[in-house]
Amino acid sequence: NAGVMQNPRHLVRRRGQEARLRCSPMKGHSHVYWYRQLPEEGLKFMVYLQKENIIDESGMPKERFSAEFPKEGPSILRIQQVVRGDSAAYFCASSPYGNSGANVLTFGAGSRLTVL
Amino acid sequence: ILNVEQSPQSLHVQEGDSTNFTCSFPSSNFYALHWYRWETAKSPEALFVMTLNGDEKKKGRISATLNTKEGYSYLYIKGSQPEDSATYLCASNTDKLIFGTGTRLQVFP
Repeated sequence: NAGVMQNPRHLVRRRGQEARLRCSPMKGHSHVYWYRQLPEEGLKFMVYLQKENIIDESGMPKERFSAEFPKEGPSILRIQQVVRGDSAAYFCASSPYGNSGANVLTFGAGSRLTVL
Repeated sequence: ILNVEQSPQSLHVQEGDSTNFTCSFPSSNFYALHWYRWETAKSPEALFVMTLNGDEKKKGRISATLNTKEGYSYLYIKGSQPEDSATYLCASNTDKLIFGTGTRLQVFP
Protein backbone atom coordinates (compact mmCIF):
# COMPACT_ATOMS: atom_id res chain seq x y z
CA ASN A 1 0.00 0.00 0.00
CA ALA A 2 2.06 2.86 -1.36
CA GLY A 3 -0.25 5.65 -0.21
CA VAL A 4 -0.78 8.76 -2.31
CA MET A 5 2.16 9.26 -4.66
CA GLN A 6 3.04 12.65 -6.04
CA ASN A 7 5.73 13.50 -8.53
CA PRO A 8 7.87 15.29 -9.06
CA ARG A 9 8.64 16.26 -5.46
CA HIS A 10 10.45 19.35 -6.65
CA LEU A 11 10.02 21.16 -9.95
CA VAL A 12 11.79 24.27 -11.16
CA ARG A 13 10.40 26.19 -14.09
CA ARG A 14 11.18 29.50 -15.73
CA ARG A 15 8.44 32.06 -16.23
CA GLY A 16 6.31 31.16 -19.23
CA GLN A 17 6.99 27.43 -19.10
CA GLU A 18 4.46 24.74 -18.29
CA ALA A 19 4.35 22.73 -15.07
CA ARG A 20 2.74 19.31 -14.79
CA LEU A 21 2.22 17.73 -11.40
CA ARG A 22 1.08 14.14 -11.06
CA CYS A 23 -0.84 12.37 -8.36
CA SER A 24 -1.60 8.67 -8.05
CA PRO A 25 -4.27 8.12 -5.41
CA MET A 26 -4.20 5.43 -2.82
CA LYS A 27 -5.29 2.02 -4.07
CA GLY A 28 -9.06 1.77 -3.99
CA HIS A 29 -9.56 5.55 -3.86
CA SER A 30 -11.40 7.12 -6.76
CA HIS A 31 -11.65 10.69 -5.46
CA VAL A 32 -8.77 13.14 -5.79
CA TYR A 33 -8.35 16.63 -4.38
CA TRP A 34 -5.68 19.23 -5.08
CA TYR A 35 -4.65 21.84 -2.52
CA ARG A 36 -2.11 24.63 -2.79
CA GLN A 37 0.00 25.95 0.03
CA LEU A 38 1.46 29.38 -0.58
CA PRO A 39 4.35 30.55 1.62
CA GLU A 40 3.14 31.35 5.15
CA GLU A 41 -0.40 30.31 4.29
CA GLY A 42 -2.55 27.25 4.88
CA LEU A 43 -3.88 24.67 2.49
CA LYS A 44 -6.21 26.21 -0.08
CA PHE A 45 -8.67 23.99 -1.92
CA MET A 46 -8.25 24.00 -5.68
CA VAL A 47 -10.18 21.18 -7.31
CA TYR A 48 -11.97 17.90 -6.62
CA LEU A 49 -12.09 15.18 -9.27
CA GLN A 50 -13.39 11.70 -9.76
CA LYS A 51 -12.33 9.48 -12.62
CA GLU A 52 -12.94 11.40 -15.86
CA ASN A 53 -14.98 14.07 -14.06
CA ILE A 54 -14.28 17.43 -12.47
CA ILE A 55 -16.70 17.70 -9.56
CA ASP A 56 -15.71 21.04 -8.03
CA GLU A 57 -13.12 23.42 -9.44
CA SER A 58 -14.22 26.47 -7.48
CA GLY A 59 -10.72 26.98 -6.08
CA MET A 60 -8.90 26.91 -9.39
CA PRO A 61 -7.62 30.16 -10.86
CA LYS A 62 -9.67 31.00 -13.94
CA GLU A 63 -6.73 31.01 -16.31
CA ARG A 64 -3.67 28.85 -16.93
CA PHE A 65 -4.66 26.12 -14.44
CA SER A 66 -6.35 22.87 -15.38
CA ALA A 67 -6.75 19.44 -13.84
CA GLU A 68 -7.73 16.04 -15.05
CA PHE A 69 -8.14 12.54 -13.70
CA PRO A 70 -8.30 10.17 -16.66
CA LYS A 71 -9.75 6.69 -16.62
CA GLU A 72 -6.24 5.28 -16.64
CA GLY A 73 -3.26 6.88 -15.02
CA PRO A 74 -2.65 9.57 -12.45
CA SER A 75 -4.42 12.84 -11.88
CA ILE A 76 -2.55 15.75 -13.42
CA LEU A 77 -2.52 19.38 -12.36
CA ARG A 78 -1.30 21.51 -15.24
CA ILE A 79 -0.15 25.09 -14.98
CA GLN A 80 0.53 26.86 -18.26
CA GLN A 81 2.77 29.90 -18.66
CA VAL A 82 3.86 29.84 -15.05
CA VAL A 83 4.52 33.07 -13.17
CA ARG A 84 6.50 33.65 -9.98
CA GLY A 85 3.28 33.77 -7.96
CA ASP A 86 2.62 30.12 -8.85
CA SER A 87 5.58 29.09 -6.66
CA ALA A 88 4.02 26.99 -3.94
CA ALA A 89 3.65 23.48 -2.60
CA TYR A 90 0.86 21.55 -4.30
CA PHE A 91 -0.69 18.74 -2.31
CA CYS A 92 -2.85 15.96 -3.60
CA ALA A 93 -5.17 13.94 -1.39
CA SER A 94 -7.48 11.04 -2.08
CA SER A 95 -10.45 9.38 -0.43
CA PRO A 96 -12.51 6.27 -1.13
CA TYR A 97 -15.79 8.15 -1.12
CA GLY A 98 -17.10 11.51 -2.15
CA ASN A 99 -16.23 14.96 -0.90
CA SER A 100 -18.64 15.15 1.97
CA GLY A 101 -19.06 14.20 5.54
CA ALA A 102 -16.56 12.20 7.46
CA ASN A 103 -14.38 11.01 4.61
CA VAL A 104 -10.80 11.20 5.77
CA LEU A 105 -8.33 12.46 3.22
CA THR A 106 -5.01 10.73 2.70
CA PHE A 107 -2.39 13.20 1.55
CA GLY A 108 0.64 12.85 -0.63
CA ALA A 109 3.98 14.38 0.24
CA GLY A 110 3.42 17.34 -2.04
CA SER A 111 5.13 18.80 -5.09
CA ARG A 112 7.09 21.98 -4.57
CA LEU A 113 7.06 24.25 -7.61
CA THR A 114 9.61 27.02 -7.89
CA VAL A 115 9.28 29.53 -10.71
CA LEU A 116 12.42 31.45 -11.52
CA ILE B 1 -17.53 31.93 1.96
CA LEU B 2 -16.51 29.36 4.51
CA ASN B 3 -13.87 30.62 6.93
CA VAL B 4 -12.07 28.29 9.30
CA GLU B 5 -9.97 30.06 11.92
CA GLN B 6 -7.40 28.55 14.25
CA SER B 7 -5.69 30.01 17.29
CA PRO B 8 -3.08 30.48 18.43
CA GLN B 9 -0.98 30.61 15.27
CA SER B 10 1.97 29.12 17.15
CA LEU B 11 2.66 27.74 20.57
CA HIS B 12 5.85 26.87 22.45
CA VAL B 13 5.54 24.64 25.51
CA GLN B 14 7.84 22.66 27.77
CA GLU B 15 7.85 18.88 27.76
CA GLY B 16 5.20 17.65 30.17
CA ASP B 17 2.95 20.69 29.81
CA SER B 18 -0.61 20.17 28.70
CA THR B 19 -1.91 22.44 25.97
CA ASN B 20 -4.94 23.14 23.86
CA PHE B 21 -5.86 25.07 20.76
CA THR B 22 -9.02 26.25 19.10
CA CYS B 23 -10.68 25.86 15.74
CA SER B 24 -13.71 27.98 14.88
CA PHE B 25 -15.92 27.44 11.86
CA PRO B 26 -19.27 28.64 10.53
CA SER B 27 -21.97 26.57 12.21
CA SER B 28 -24.44 26.76 9.32
CA ASN B 29 -24.44 23.88 6.82
CA PHE B 30 -21.98 22.01 9.00
CA TYR B 31 -21.28 18.40 8.16
CA ALA B 32 -17.99 17.35 9.75
CA LEU B 33 -14.90 18.70 11.49
CA HIS B 34 -11.49 17.16 10.82
CA TRP B 35 -8.21 17.47 12.70
CA TYR B 36 -4.92 16.67 10.97
CA ARG B 37 -1.38 16.55 12.26
CA TRP B 38 1.34 17.80 9.92
CA GLU B 39 4.97 17.17 10.74
CA THR B 40 7.66 19.08 8.90
CA ALA B 41 8.65 17.45 5.61
CA LYS B 42 5.79 14.95 5.84
CA SER B 43 2.17 14.76 4.72
CA PRO B 44 -0.80 15.82 6.85
CA GLU B 45 -2.22 12.83 8.68
CA ALA B 46 -5.77 12.53 9.96
CA LEU B 47 -6.26 12.56 13.72
CA PHE B 48 -10.00 12.84 14.19
CA VAL B 49 -13.22 13.35 12.29
CA MET B 50 -16.23 14.50 14.28
CA THR B 51 -19.77 15.07 13.11
CA LEU B 52 -22.08 15.31 16.12
CA ASN B 53 -22.49 18.19 18.54
CA GLY B 54 -20.82 17.22 21.79
CA ASP B 55 -18.58 14.62 20.13
CA GLU B 56 -15.37 13.85 21.97
CA LYS B 57 -12.60 11.79 20.44
CA LYS B 58 -9.37 10.55 22.02
CA LYS B 59 -6.18 9.00 20.70
CA GLY B 60 -3.55 8.43 23.37
CA ARG B 61 -2.70 11.80 24.93
CA ILE B 62 -4.59 13.77 22.29
CA SER B 63 -8.29 14.48 22.48
CA ALA B 64 -10.76 16.76 20.73
CA THR B 65 -14.23 18.15 21.41
CA LEU B 66 -16.84 19.60 19.11
CA ASN B 67 -19.55 22.24 19.54
CA THR B 68 -21.48 22.59 16.32
CA LYS B 69 -24.04 25.05 17.69
CA GLU B 70 -21.44 27.70 18.42
CA GLY B 71 -18.97 26.57 15.77
CA TYR B 72 -15.81 25.58 17.61
CA SER B 73 -13.61 22.60 18.35
CA TYR B 74 -10.79 22.22 20.85
CA LEU B 75 -7.76 19.96 20.52
CA TYR B 76 -6.05 18.98 23.77
CA ILE B 77 -2.63 17.44 24.26
CA LYS B 78 -1.89 16.09 27.71
CA GLY B 79 1.72 15.91 28.88
CA SER B 80 3.26 17.24 25.65
CA GLN B 81 6.32 15.44 24.30
CA PRO B 82 8.91 16.71 21.78
CA GLU B 83 7.51 14.28 19.22
CA ASP B 84 4.18 16.14 19.40
CA SER B 85 5.87 19.08 17.69
CA ALA B 86 3.95 19.63 14.46
CA THR B 87 1.35 21.86 12.85
CA TYR B 88 -2.19 20.92 13.78
CA LEU B 89 -4.78 21.66 11.12
CA CYS B 90 -8.51 21.67 11.45
CA ALA B 91 -10.86 21.54 8.50
CA SER B 92 -14.58 21.95 8.20
CA ASN B 93 -16.61 20.10 5.63
CA THR B 94 -19.74 21.35 3.93
CA ASP B 95 -19.47 20.58 0.24
CA LYS B 96 -15.69 20.63 0.37
CA LEU B 97 -13.04 20.37 3.05
CA ILE B 98 -11.77 23.85 3.98
CA PHE B 99 -8.66 24.07 6.13
CA GLY B 100 -7.61 26.59 8.73
CA THR B 101 -4.06 27.91 8.67
CA GLY B 102 -3.01 25.67 11.54
CA THR B 103 -1.45 25.95 14.98
CA ARG B 104 2.29 25.30 14.98
CA LEU B 105 3.25 23.53 18.20
CA GLN B 106 6.82 23.26 19.38
CA VAL B 107 7.57 21.21 22.50
CA PHE B 108 10.94 21.83 24.13
CA PRO B 109 12.64 19.07 26.14
